Amino acid sequence: DGGITQSPKYLFRKEGQNVTLSCEQNLNHDAMYWYRQDPGQGLRLIYYSQIVNDFQKGDIAEGYSVSREKKESFPLTVTSAQKNPTAFYLCASSPGQGVNSYEQYFGPGTRLTVT
Amino acid sequence: KQEVTQIPAALSVPEGENLVLNCSFTDSAIYNLQWFRQDPGKGLTSLLLIQSSQREQTSGRLNASLDKSSGRSTLYIAASQPGDSATYLCAVEDQAGTALIFGKGTTLSVSS
Repeated sequence: DGGITQSPKYLFRKEGQNVTLSCEQNLNHDAMYWYRQDPGQGLRLIYYSQIVNDFQKGDIAEGYSVSREKKESFPLTVTSAQKNPTAFYLCASSPGQGVNSYEQYFGPGTRLTVT
Repeated sequence: KQEVTQIPAALSVPEGENLVLNCSFTDSAIYNLQWFRQDPGKGLTSLLLIQSSQREQTSGRLNASLDKSSGRSTLYIAASQPGDSATYLCAVEDQAGTALIFGKGTTLSVSS
């Protein structure tokens, strides 16, 4: 089955620790994105990548880092510098070419709790 | 800076009603607009995408319209069912391949 997988579904960390969230897609999509969702707020963009080995900061990139070494993978690291890391993190991808080339498809999300 | 607003924030209707969800955006220079559905604790499911050159898109009981000049989109749901209960999110993309800018959503509850 084609799709976007995020693991784990729930993640718990102590304050001060870095943590990496996984996002994998087998849709052969060029572009991938990371969003953060907080209660009562809309989704906000953290980072996005349109091609391998290239990525751009979104509105709230501070305290996060990403890599795009493979087309199908776009891991997000939440560093200890992120002041309020507890949130629901959503990964998305889009084809980047063809009809509806920028229609975004989302993974199931990872809920991160930092105490 | 682009801002997306969705009204109402919550809506409760009895089964069978037709309903309209509203989305407005401040900058009409958009590349496309997407409507999503989100169930509690889950990811987003894409419902409809409207390119900037299009006026509407239909999928089953759903119809989305786009009026770029007035900065508005509506999502029409016909003959609502309890299974339609979810949060509906509207998002616009200002430039191709960059990022979606989301509204805060409308939470719909359909009672049987």
